[in-house]
Amino acid sequence: KNEVEQSPQNLTAQEGEFITINCSYSVGISALHWLQQHPGGGIVSLFMLSSGKKKHGRLIATINIQEKHSSLHITASHPRDSAVYICAAVGNQFYFGTGTSLTVIP
Amino acid sequence: DTEVTQTPKHLVMGMTNKKSLKCEQHMGHRAMYWYKQKAKKPPELMFVYSYEKLSINESVPSRFSPECPNSSLLNLHLHALQPEDSALYLCASSQENARFGTQYFGPGTRLTVL
Repeated sequence: KNEVEQSPQNLTAQEGEFITINCSYSVGISALHWLQQHPGGGIVSLFMLSSGKKKHGRLIATINIQEKHSSLHITASHPRDSAVYICAAVGNQFYFGTGTSLTVIP
Repeated sequence: DTEVTQTPKHLVMGMTNKKSLKCEQHMGHRAMYWYKQKAKKPPELMFVYSYEKLSINESVPSRFSPECPNSSLLNLHLHALQPEDSALYLCASSQENARFGTQYFGPGTRLTVL
């Protein structure tokens, strides 16, 4: 069993839809990262959270430490949001989730 | 400058070749990382350098040899690789160990071993 689980594994949405990606973890952590990886490789760090909520443009990330759960929300989704979204928990090591592949259709 | 650069972008090598991957950052970060990523899988940590010293080696085979010549540069020397080593190799850096900081990733080197 992975220390970090994400759902859904794959997600297809129409442009403009509100999207939620979930991340649950089973280890003690000091922070959690949300990462975005476009086809071709490069990874971009979107958020690092240790509590509460952060917002950047159309992206919102929340974390509930008691429930060991984090969510990434995308409002007004756009085809350029199509990518793999990975959550990574920082505990004794960096635990990566399995990723959520998002496709936004125009 | 918030960029991590990696060269080459693509590399094809035979099993008897010796090659090196390079990673550079000028953000003053003191922790640097090598990851290996297979298709449709999350990155797997290979090595961590902290203050130019190897602090974590995740049981990586000796055919992969990391080197940190200075605080801005990280190399990964490759020798006698196997076809299953074909993957995307990602470099990252952070201000301190990952425990504390956001990691900045490079674009990766896509390695194919024939």
